[in-house]
Amino acid sequence: KAGVTQTPRYLIKTRGQQVTLSCSPISGHRSVSWYQQTPGQGLQFLFEYFSETQRNKGNFPGRFSGRQFSNSRSEMNVSTLELGDSALYLCASSGQGVTNVLTFGAGSRLTVL
Amino acid sequence: DQQVKQNSPSLSVQEGRISILNCDYTNSMFDYFLWYKKYPAEGPTFLISISSIKDKNEDGRFTVFLNKSAKHLSLHIVPSQPGDSAVYFCAASGEGGGADGLTFGKGTHLIIQP
Repeated sequence: KAGVTQTPRYLIKTRGQQVTLSCSPISGHRSVSWYQQTPGQGLQFLFEYFSETQRNKGNFPGRFSGRQFSNSRSEMNVSTLELGDSALYLCASSGQGVTNVLTFGAGSRLTVL
Repeated sequence: DQQVKQNSPSLSVQEGRISILNCDYTNSMFDYFLWYKKYPAEGPTFLISISSIKDKNEDGRFTVFLNKSAKHLSLHIVPSQPGDSAVYFCAASGEGGGADGLTFGKGTHLIIQP
C-alpha cells in the first residue's frame, strides 16, 4: 500500500512569491492534515480537510490556505512568502475514527531567500 | 504558550539500557496521547499511543506511561538499540479527535551510544 506522497520534496523561493505544495494521501484515507515544522517551534498544525471541507484550522495567517479535491488529494498554498516561512511542510492522512494516528509523508522542504 | 512540553532537547543512552523520554502537558482537555519517531529526511512515524482512561500501554520494547494528575507521560524503550536513534515527538489531542489537529512537543533527540 503506497504511503503519503508529497511533492515537491525541495524548493527554493524568494520573498513575495507564492508556493503550492501537493499531497496524495493513502488510498482510502479521507482526512488530510498539514503541519509546519521549524527548528524553533516544532510541529505546528496548519489545517485539516475531510471530504473536501476544511474542518479545522491552526493559528496561521490567511496567507496559508489549502484545499482538498474529490479524490482526497490536497494542496496547500502560501502567498507573499516571508523568510520565516522557511520550514518543512508535512502532510498526513488518516482513516476513519478518532484515534488520531496520522501517517505522514516525507515533507516538502521550503527555503525562502 | 506551549501546551505540550518536552524539556530535554537531547538524550544519550547506552545500547542495551533503558531510554526514558518525558513529556508534560498543560491542557486538561487532552484525552489522547501519542509518540512519533522521526528520522532525518523522513516524516514522523507513529510509535505508540495511550488513551486518558489508561495509565500504561505496552508494545514490544516500547511502553508509554500516563500520569493524569501530574499531566505527565513518558516513553520507555527497553532495551535501547542503535536503530532507536531518532527524534521523538510527544503529541496530544482533545475530544475533537483528529479534526482538532495534534499538538506536538518540540521533540527529544535520542542518541543510542554503542
